[in-house]
Amino acid sequence: DQQVKQNSPSLSVQEGRISILNCDYTNSMFDYFLWYKKYPAEGPTFLISISSIKDKNEDGRFTVFLNKSAKHLSLHIVPSQPGDSAVYFCAASRGDAGNNRKLIWGLGTSLAVNP
Amino acid sequence: EAQVTQNPRYLITVTGKKLTVTCSQNMNHEYMSWYRQDPGLGLRQIYYSMNVEVTDKGDVPEGYKVSRKEKRNFPLILESPSPNQTSLYFCASRTVMNTEAFFGQGTRLTVV
Repeated sequence: DQQVKQNSPSLSVQEGRISILNCDYTNSMFDYFLWYKKYPAEGPTFLISISSIKDKNEDGRFTVFLNKSAKHLSLHIVPSQPGDSAVYFCAASRGDAGNNRKLIWGLGTSLAVNP
Repeated sequence: EAQVTQNPRYLITVTGKKLTVTCSQNMNHEYMSWYRQDPGLGLRQIYYSMNVEVTDKGDVPEGYKVSRKEKRNFPLILESPSPNQTSLYFCASRTVMNTEAFFGQGTRLTVV
């Protein structure tokens, strides 16, 4: 059962336009959400995160929005650049009894930004 | 440079031949973990360690062992690899207080 869902396996956007990547989750106990970017032959790299007590977090061209009632978050990239072409993973976290803070991952969305 | 280093990057082996994938981090992170990534299944945690000599099972620990004798190293051991362990493996580290993890570049393992 996929607790974190990225329903779009791929997305293609024109350079300079906005990229919107979506993520849905099912577990209301998740209290922290992260986006990672992955280039081929590399490991995921952290991009931006948001706590469940916020509804927006911005870092330069990247903004993450969280809608807790809809159990939905989105990553906006404005303006999109060809170097943003990568696979983007959404991950959700909650603390457990041992403070593991395990990450539950979506399957990723492959973003292609065309020049 | 802060990094997580995995070796080897690529490995083809035969069923039953013990192997170790090494992972080392230079950020003095307490927490280290291993993931495998498979098509349609995403990233799944195999084992994690919250500090030296403290390890615990993740979601898919069967067929794997780990050790944490030093803070910087967290090797993944496959005592008797099987073809269903063919996968892309990632090591990650972070501080206990943070959730943002640093990942290694990955090890693509093929068991024939």
